[in-house]
Amino acid sequence: EDQVTQSPEALRLQEGESSSLNCSYTVSGLRGLFWYRQDPGKGPEFLFTLYSAGEEKEKERLKATLTKKESFLHITAPKPEDSATYLCAVQWESRNSGYALNFGKGTSLLVTP
Amino acid sequence: GAGVSQSPRYKVAKRGQDVALRCDPISGHVSLFWYQQALGQGPEFLTYFQNEAQLDKSGLPSDRFFAERPEGSVSTLKIQRTQQEDSAVYLCASSSSGLSNQPQHFGDGTRLSIL
Repeated sequence: EDQVTQSPEALRLQEGESSSLNCSYTVSGLRGLFWYRQDPGKGPEFLFTLYSAGEEKEKERLKATLTKKESFLHITAPKPEDSATYLCAVQWESRNSGYALNFGKGTSLLVTP
Repeated sequence: GAGVSQSPRYKVAKRGQDVALRCDPISGHVSLFWYQQALGQGPEFLTYFQNEAQLDKSGLPSDRFFAERPEGSVSTLKIQRTQQEDSAVYLCASSSSGLSNQPQHFGDGTRLSIL
């Protein structure tokens, strides 16, 4: 079964309209939860790592939070250049050697002027 | 450049041909990973190296897939007797240490199309 689920699959926002993306996971022994941004034709670009419940990290208009079952990526007052696919990935102790990133399918974000 | 470099960016091959994809990680990075990304999906793990040692190859889909990193730097992913289902983007990532929860930094991938 899917162990990393992202929602919504797609999201369309007006410029300045804040929203949140969700990543839920069903693993135990979490080593880290990672957020990436991916533009068309490019590789994923690292944004944040979260290690434990209650942790928060911020970068410009983005803020990532983590609970025991899910993570949120909050986008405040987005701009058209924030349009991209946002990927969540989880690393946990019992999966492979514990080094593999296990990705969700991503949320495709479109911000219109 | 300072990032992960992959070549070629695009590769077209006929079914049954062998292909080799190259990855130059960030200089000094100990860990190197290969992922496969199908259209509209997140990347799927293939294999992991720490220096020259291949510590995990559990994600390789069949014995037609082979990866190496002989000197602990550049890595090559080889696919023998390619099939149409091998068409995907192959991503390489590296991280600075052997610790498991360090960020992985990705290249822009090789888009492989099998005709």
